[in-house]
Amino acid sequence: DIQMTQSPSTLSASVGDRVTITCRASQSISSWLAWYQQKPGKAPKLLIHKASSLETGDPSRFSGSASGTEFTLTISSLQPDDFATYYCQQYNSYPYTFGQGTKLEIK
Amino acid sequence: VQLLESGGGLVQPGGSLRLSCAASGLTFSSHAISWVRQAPGKGLEWVSGISGTGANTYYSDSVKGRFTISRDNSKYTLYLQMNSLRAEDTAVYYCAKNPYCSSGVCYTGMDVWGQGTTVTVSS
Repeated sequence: DIQMTQSPSTLSASVGDRVTITCRASQSISSWLAWYQQKPGKAPKLLIHKASSLETGDPSRFSGSASGTEFTLTISSLQPDDFATYYCQQYNSYPYTFGQGTKLEIK
Repeated sequence: VQLLESGGGLVQPGGSLRLSCAASGLTFSSHAISWVRQAPGKGLEWVSGISGTGANTYYSDSVKGRFTISRDNSKYTLYLQMNSLRAEDTAVYYCAKNPYCSSGVCYTGMDVWGQGTTVTVSS
C-alpha cells in the first residue's frame, strides 16, 4: 500500500499569511493526488485534483504543486474561511490512502 | 448530484450493520464509489470501493474479510455490509464518488460526498 505522510499536523497562522502544507508519497503516484478541505461536522470538500488542478469556483489563493513524490498545497493569503483541516489523498492505486491531516488554526 | 447515506446506529461488538448510499443526479452505473470513514477526532480513512458495474471491489486491510461492498444500479444505491464489528469501527461513514478515470487518465478527485452516517460499536 502507498503511504501518504502529511506535515505539519497543526499549523497556526494569521489572516493574510502564506502557508504551505506538504504531503509525501511512499512511492510514485504520478500526479494522482487530491487535496480536501474539511470543516467541523461537515463532509470533506475537494479543492484540488491531479496535484495542481483547482476545482471550479474555488479561490485562486489555493494552489497545488508536485515534485516527484512530494506534493504541496499553498494558500497565498489566508482568509478567515480557510481555517479548517486539510487532507491529501492519493488515487493512483487502491487503497486510496489519505494523509494524516493538517489542522490550520488561527494564531 | 447528491449522495445520501443511511443505516448507521448503535451496535454491539461482534454485531452487524448495513449502510446504504442513495445517489441522484448522475448516471450511477458510470461511476465507481467508495466508502470513507472518520473515527471521532481522527482523520479520514478510505475503507472500500466498487467499480461502476460492481464487478470489481476493493478493501482496506482493516476491514477485509469483515465488510462487503455492493451496489444495485437499478436502485441507484450503494451498500456496505459490516460484520464482526469492533469498537475501532466506530466512525462517521461517508460515501463518495470516485475520481473519474478513463484510459489511465483521471479527470477529477472525489468530488461528491454524502453527509455521512454515524456508526457506534459499543456494549
